Amino acid sequence: DAKTTQPPSMDCAEGRAANLPCNHSTISGNEYVYWYRQIHSQGPQYIIHGLKNNETNEMASLIITEDRKSSTLILPHATLRDTAVYYCIVRDRLRAAGNKLTFGGGTRVLVKP
Amino acid sequence: DGGITQSPKYLFRKEGQNVTLSCEQNLNHDAMYWYRQDPGQGLRLIYYSQIVNDFQKGDIAEGYSVSREKKESFPLTVTSAQKNPTAFYLCASSTGQSNTEAFFGQGTRLTVV
Repeated sequence: DAKTTQPPSMDCAEGRAANLPCNHSTISGNEYVYWYRQIHSQGPQYIIHGLKNNETNEMASLIITEDRKSSTLILPHATLRDTAVYYCIVRDRLRAAGNKLTFGGGTRVLVKP
Repeated sequence: DGGITQSPKYLFRKEGQNVTLSCEQNLNHDAMYWYRQDPGQGLRLIYYSQIVNDFQKGDIAEGYSVSREKKESFPLTVTSAQKNPTAFYLCASSTGQSNTEAFFGQGTRLTVV
């Protein structure tokens, strides 16, 4: 699986959009980009995923660059409850079931009032 | 309700004792995973299983053992050979299809004294 690189931490103002970058320059055409978040001392929660096209759901938007080497997770109106560690991972869509699901260090996001 | 359950939430053991952490899912998922998380760090993969009666080592399997005798259960044993067993342990499951997300339990915090 391609490795991902994320900034270790970032702050965001409550009510403003939070833009979380992820670099996955070695991604292959078969790999999905996934985002999860982990609130302190809880299990990670799925946010969104995409392959090529931009995606949006009730939690966030995912913008993937045309060359697919990087992506940005957008939390449109950050709240204090969005304070968490956000993980960007890639996952091969052609591998057999149960391929290794490998997490990096993530970005620690602090939403400030 | 469907979900993935880890028990217990907190576990204390004396050094030198083996301890088994429980992970059960009723999501009919084929794939299951075990991760270890140390304070301030990301998730590291210990073992994963693609299907019943089959499992593979992750990145930090030494000192751990697993079994997958039933689809819904994937217990993790932390053996006395694990030199630093105190950590937060997370279990996850997925369909195994790479375009679907993984679901996580709420974790077991193991403290060895």
